[in-house]
Order: sequence, then C-alpha cells, then structure tokens
Amino acid sequence: QLQLQESGPGLVKPSETLSLTCTVSGGSISSSSYYWGWIRQPPGKGLEWIGSIYYSGSTYYNPSLKSRVTISVDTSKNQFSLKLSSVTAADTAVYYCARSDYDYVWGSPMPNFDPWGQGTLVTVSS
Amino acid sequence: QSVLTQPPSASGTPGQRVTISCSGSSSNIGSNYVYWYQQLPGTAPKLLIYSNNQRPSGVPDRFSGSKSGTSASLAISGLRSEDEADYYCAAWDDSLSAPFGGGTKLTVL
Repeated sequence: QLQLQESGPGLVKPSETLSLTCTVSGGSISSSSYYWGWIRQPPGKGLEWIGSIYYSGSTYYNPSLKSRVTISVDTSKNQFSLKLSSVTAADTAVYYCARSDYDYVWGSPMPNFDPWGQGTLVTVSS
Repeated sequence: QSVLTQPPSASGTPGQRVTISCSGSSSNIGSNYVYWYQQLPGTAPKLLIYSNNQRPSGVPDRFSGSKSGTSASLAISGLRSEDEADYYCAAWDDSLSAPFGGGTKLTVL
C-alpha cells in the first residue's frame, strides 16, 4: 500500500532554512488524482496545513506561511520537498507529509489527507 | 486562532454518545466538505470522516459526521476507552487554504 516517509535534519538554526523531503513508495507521485501536502504540529499544539503540490508543480500555500514556504516535486525520484526559510523557535514542530485528493471541479486539493507519513520532529535552536 | 472553532475538550463514560462540534463560516464549512481526523497519542493523524459524513473503510460505524450550515459535528456512539484521542476537523476555505480546527481532546472517564 502507499507509504510516505519524511526525512531531513532534526535540528535547524534560527534564521536558516528548514528542508525536508517526503519519499512516496507503493504508488506514483505523478498520479493525476492526488495532491501531496505538508502539515505540521508544534509540541502539544494542533495541526497546521503548510501547503500542497500537484505532480505538475501547481502549489497552494497557507497564506500565513506563504512568504517563507516553497514546496517542490521531483517525479523522477517520487519525492516532494518542503523548504521553510527564516525559521524561528515557533517553527519547531513535527512535520508530516500526506496525500490528498484532487478536486476535479476547482483544481485544488481537498483536505482529506490519507495516508500520512509518521512525522519528523524539527527543532529550531542555536 | 483557527478559522475553524472546536471545544478544547470533551468527555464521556464508556458506552455513552459524545459529540464534538466544529464551527466555521460561509467560506469554509458553509460551502465545502468537512473532514475529521483522529490522533491517538504519539501517532500521526488518521482520516476518520470525509465529505461531511462518509467513513473510510475500516472506520467503525460508531463514528458519524454531520453538517448544517456553517457548523459540523462528529458523533461517537458506544464510547470505548480506545477512543481517547485528539480530534480535528478540517475544510477547504475559499481563500485557497485548508485550515484545521484547533482540536478537541476526548477523555473517556
């Protein structure tokens, strides 16, 4: 079955760029039926959608993070990636990647995230 | 401060029926589907309800969802100890974003 796995540094210094990759196995990231998303969860807090990408490269971002976020896709490697710039301690969180459906009416992602990766904790600290 | 508002906590005794609310606006719940997630301690969230009231395969029919206007609810009947978890609602917003509710911590007494 489809599996997603996050990878990347667990510690990032303030003001630097957080970079994570999600590797998809058991299915193709180039499917026209899905978007691929990033969601984060600060310790002890709730979920926050960061953004989603389609295999063609079309992206949707959380407006509150848009100025610092870049999500890209590498179909040859069946991976998609997250870059979050100018990080602060407030960006410390478990970062999850997940698949969601493509809305054929609007061309946007549907927030039906399933499945999810196991998550990776990224700590922002000097 | 999420655009989708949930009560921070809820509780019930085994066998009881509990409901968790999710309040939004015309730009999200009022015009788009609602989704519910269950997050057990230390694990990734799991999709529990999609398209307002549909259950993915494997989700017990004790879990049900409903929507009315700009609000939605998740109901859990025949409450069990293993239902103790955090529950989140989500909906697409016409501002082109996918907000989650703040989450509700369900305690089984």
